[in-house]
Amino acid sequence: AQKITQTQPGMFVQEKEAVTLDCTYDTSDQSYGLFWYKQPSSGEMIFLIYQGSYDEQNATEGRYSLNFQKARKSANLVISASQLGDSAMFFCAMSSGGKQAGTALIFGKGTTLSVSS
Amino acid sequence: GAVVSQHPSWVICKSGTSVKIECRSLDFQATTMFWYRQFPKQSLMLMATSNEGSKATYEQGVEKDKFLINHASLTLSTLTVTSAHPEDSSFYICSAIYRVSQPQHFGDGTRLSIL
Repeated sequence: AQKITQTQPGMFVQEKEAVTLDCTYDTSDQSYGLFWYKQPSSGEMIFLIYQGSYDEQNATEGRYSLNFQKARKSANLVISASQLGDSAMFFCAMSSGGKQAGTALIFGKGTTLSVSS
Repeated sequence: GAVVSQHPSWVICKSGTSVKIECRSLDFQATTMFWYRQFPKQSLMLMATSNEGSKATYEQGVEKDKFLINHASLTLSTLTVTSAHPEDSSFYICSAIYRVSQPQHFGDGTRLSIL
């Protein structure tokens, strides 16, 4: 069975600093996709970044980068230059078959990020 | 860009009431939509997969007679919580697959409070 583990319930960082949110996963699939979503207090799920299991390069989207270590089954999110607006819950998620497959997502328990000035 | 609209955003109702939540894909057709439930400060848990024109596929432990899902068109899936009780109070959120090269798009969610 697939599983996502986020071991950091909460993280605190100062504005303009970088922060790494941890995510490890477990799957027997060869093809899978890893996602990070941000959920502010209002509840909506905001897609941040995607990494396919066959992608050789680590994904980057603006201030977000995904540190993908396939052998260690980890997909950590790195946020560079944190902003006050980054304070939210962050979820790591996985799907079977990669981004384009029609499967539901399995989510980790989430990490609450608090950014202070 | 692709947008998923979910309505209503908030529902407060008495115990025993049935509540219908709508999930619409705007400007695109979604053959598959997903319904998730999230309790406070917890993760999203998949409830069911909604397929246009066929019966929904429910996850283990989710009562299909209590959570009725209808996906009657390519742009609309509905979740009806029948005879809701306080323990059904939760945040319900849907998602839809836009196209094969895009990740799932989520609605803004519905906060359901049963008194």
